[in-house]
Amino acid sequence: DGGITQSPKYLFRKEGQNVTLSCEQNLNHDAMYWYRQDPGQGLRLIYYSQIVNDFQKGDIAEGYSVSREKKESFPLTVTSAQKNPTAFYLCASSIGSGTDTQYFGPGTRLTVL
Amino acid sequence: AQSVSQHNHHVILSEAASLELGCNYSYGGTVNLFWYVQYPGQHLQLLLKYFSGDPLVKGIKGFEAEFIKSKFSFNLRKPSVQWSDTAEYFCAVNVGKLSFGAGTTVTVRA
Repeated sequence: DGGITQSPKYLFRKEGQNVTLSCEQNLNHDAMYWYRQDPGQGLRLIYYSQIVNDFQKGDIAEGYSVSREKKESFPLTVTSAQKNPTAFYLCASSIGSGTDTQYFGPGTRLTVL
Repeated sequence: AQSVSQHNHHVILSEAASLELGCNYSYGGTVNLFWYVQYPGQHLQLLLKYFSGDPLVKGIKGFEAEFIKSKFSFNLRKPSVQWSDTAEYFCAVNVGKLSFGAGTTVTVRA
């Protein structure tokens, strides 16, 4: 959806380095999410935030960290502790949390060399 | 834990053929159901959704899906596909958290 931007589109990092992926939304949505997409596995939830200054771990949070200091921004840091960080990362947002429809950004493809 | 199963990993068909993609979920309570599509090089977008009411839901681009509660299914259909329907299709179930199936890659040959 045009209201969610992720940058950069492609990102390359050396093994052992932390990297932060950007996600911004201008939809005035309260909830934001980070997913990881791997071939043949669908999307898996990393972290989500229902409101500013609050976030919860998803199914695969190990090796990742997030912050939610502003309503429109939800950056994801992939740390050196993440064992297999090369993947396609998708950010999403929804009006509220729970069962509301989620809208997705264009994604960032991270490659760790 | 809830799970979402998509029956086919890769479907190949010719233009004008009919398409049906299967989706089953394991949660027994009230669910919200979604189909998302990811066209080559594009981001994930909502195709259709079911929250309540008529179990036959119509979405964009001629797609529809039928919710059958007794079968825990939400299959996606399109009577006549076009080359532009080539994409990856994801079924998702939301019971407070959105869970996705593994996806089905659909290739439509001209």
